[in-house]
Amino acid sequence: EPEVTQTPSHQVTQMGQEVILRCVPISNHLYFYWYRQILGQKVEFLVSFYNNEISEKSEIFDDQFSVERPDGSNFTLKIRSTKLEDSAMYFCASSRTQSQETQYFGPGTRLLVL
Amino acid sequence: QKEVEQNSGPLSVPEGAIASLNCTYSDRGSQSFFWYRQYSGKSPELIMFIYSNGDKEDGRFTAQLNKASQYVSLLIRDSQPSDSATYLCAVSGGGNKLTFGTGTQLKVEL
Repeated sequence: EPEVTQTPSHQVTQMGQEVILRCVPISNHLYFYWYRQILGQKVEFLVSFYNNEISEKSEIFDDQFSVERPDGSNFTLKIRSTKLEDSAMYFCASSRTQSQETQYFGPGTRLLVL
Repeated sequence: QKEVEQNSGPLSVPEGAIASLNCTYSDRGSQSFFWYRQYSGKSPELIMFIYSNGDKEDGRFTAQLNKASQYVSLLIRDSQPSDSATYLCAVSGGGNKLTFGTGTQLKVEL
């Protein structure tokens, strides 16, 4: 069964450093998403991406964040200058279409900013 | 602010019993409703989705939706210890993003 994959599974970085989180969505899916979950808190939407552009973003997704689909398979989330409060689990998700369509989640990247 | 509310629990049920998980949402324009299961340290895993008022059954799981009351629930029949997890209610307004509740922790006791 096809699944979303994410790398790395864990990332430790120093405050102020740039990190890139990588995702490979399910191959026939067209919509891609990033969510985050701070330890003990709810899953929060960050951004959605379709047809090589952002279709929606949340207030959390400020200028420090960017997304890119550098090739036909990868979807990346970049945090330019990490802060302590960026420490969280980051989940990539994908869906085949937009409306009434299930989003399938990857295993996540646990980011720890020191 | 669009909200999804769940009782955080823990909800404890004996093995073999029915577990009932509830969720309310604030946005009347919400169109799609999802239940995800999340084990500790893992990603959300889809259990069921429902779009129309009424009940939808899939194996031991039944989702119930009442749009007039802005209420969605998940029933788990014949609960097993492996069902012990946090159950996340998620709502979509027909656009891209899912809005999640904080989740209800379910414990199925032997």
